[in-house]
Amino acid sequence: GAGVSQSPSNKVTEKGKDVELRCDPISGHTALYWYRQSLGQGLEFLIYFQGNSAPDKSGLPSDRFSAERTGGSVSTLTIQRTQQEDSAVYLCASSYLGQGSQPQHFGDGTRLSIL
Amino acid sequence: AQRVTQPEKLLSVFKGAPVELKCNYSYSGSPELFWYVQYSRQRLQLLLRHISRESIKGFTADLNKGETSFHLKKPFAQEEDSAMYYCALGSGGYQKVTFGTGTKLQVIP
Repeated sequence: GAGVSQSPSNKVTEKGKDVELRCDPISGHTALYWYRQSLGQGLEFLIYFQGNSAPDKSGLPSDRFSAERTGGSVSTLTIQRTQQEDSAVYLCASSYLGQGSQPQHFGDGTRLSIL
Repeated sequence: AQRVTQPEKLLSVFKGAPVELKCNYSYSGSPELFWYVQYSRQRLQLLLRHISRESIKGFTADLNKGETSFHLKKPFAQEEDSAMYYCALGSGGYQKVTFGTGTKLQVIP
């Protein structure tokens, strides 16, 4: 595809349910990032993948959050037993790996609403 | 620890007036700075990066290591500049990028 693709674009679910968010990065981008965007909070880093491994999971808010990436491509972010404070826009970004920090290309995000 | 501070949540300017969006950073290593922009109903996208030393859509930003700042400037604001602007700090080979909380720029016609 031409850009980073995220699905679903919107997700409404009840408190306590599990949700799975998907990210398709730009082909050839080795690095993949997940962020959470909340009103007034800016972009909160969640996790970073280099290939299929996650060298930095420091941003995951709790053990209810997990992410994986397979085939160096698609990534899924899973939130178990959702809470109302999980409501936010979840953004995925991808980039090349190179010398120094590379520009990130963002998807449209998944707007998650927990009732 | 890396930190990016954007002190203004909202900046309102009149069309044609100069714009300066402030960004200060905290990082002990050699910083790599970016500005990202999100226009209404569009995805977040790169505006410019300090190593490119270029002007994009009339915007420029100079890295001032002494003041640890990377302010975004434009001499004459246009209505289409209204958007959310995020300053971001990269840490070189590690790839992690820290974003500020963002500044909403509102250009008044």
